[in-house]
Amino acid sequence: KQEVTQIPAALSVPEGENLVLNCSFTDSAIYNLQWFRQDPGKGLTSLLLIQSSQREQTSGRLNASLDKSSGRSTLYIAASQPGDSATYLCALSQGGSEKLVFGKGTKLTVNP
Amino acid sequence: GAVVSQHPSWVICKSGTSVKIECRSLDFQATTMFWYRQFPKQSLMLMATSNEGSKATYEQGVEKDKFLINHASLTLSTLTVTSAHPEDSSFYICSALSLAGGRYNEQFFGPGTRLTVL
Repeated sequence: KQEVTQIPAALSVPEGENLVLNCSFTDSAIYNLQWFRQDPGKGLTSLLLIQSSQREQTSGRLNASLDKSSGRSTLYIAASQPGDSATYLCALSQGGSEKLVFGKGTKLTVNP
Repeated sequence: GAVVSQHPSWVICKSGTSVKIECRSLDFQATTMFWYRQFPKQSLMLMATSNEGSKATYEQGVEKDKFLINHASLTLSTLTVTSAHPEDSSFYICSALSLAGGRYNEQFFGPGTRLTVL
């Protein structure tokens, strides 16, 4: 059974700092991996999607990497801003299934 | 594009009543919709997979008679929580897969429905 772990559970940084959020998974037979942002009491906003054959995706200040062999993905946020404060969720789907398995998320606070 | 809406955004009901939540794909047709539940400070847990015109597939531990799912069209799925109890209070989120395939089976998520059962 696929398990997705996100470390740390919470992270607090000063504005302007570069940071890395981690996601690990137990079964490397994945189809795609997505990073989402969730604001309190709100739904999910898709940030980046990495297909299994890709190693990274970039969007603005965000860069997500995927290393299937080690069962890890990272989300790199450059020059963090207070508006980046949210919970970041990692989720993946496996070959032959459209279901997403989610991690518990990392709650990020960027202090002005 | 790829917008999913949910209605209502929040609902408060008395214990024992039933509540219906709608999930709509606004600008695309969805072959498959998913229903998730999220408890405070927890991640999303898949409850069921809903395919248009067929019965939903429920995850282990989810009572199909309590959480009724109907996917009557390619743009609408509904989740009815029957005989709701306080322990059913949660944040319910739906997602949809585009009939066009989308980008690597990307799911598009609704804004969620906060259910509070008194």
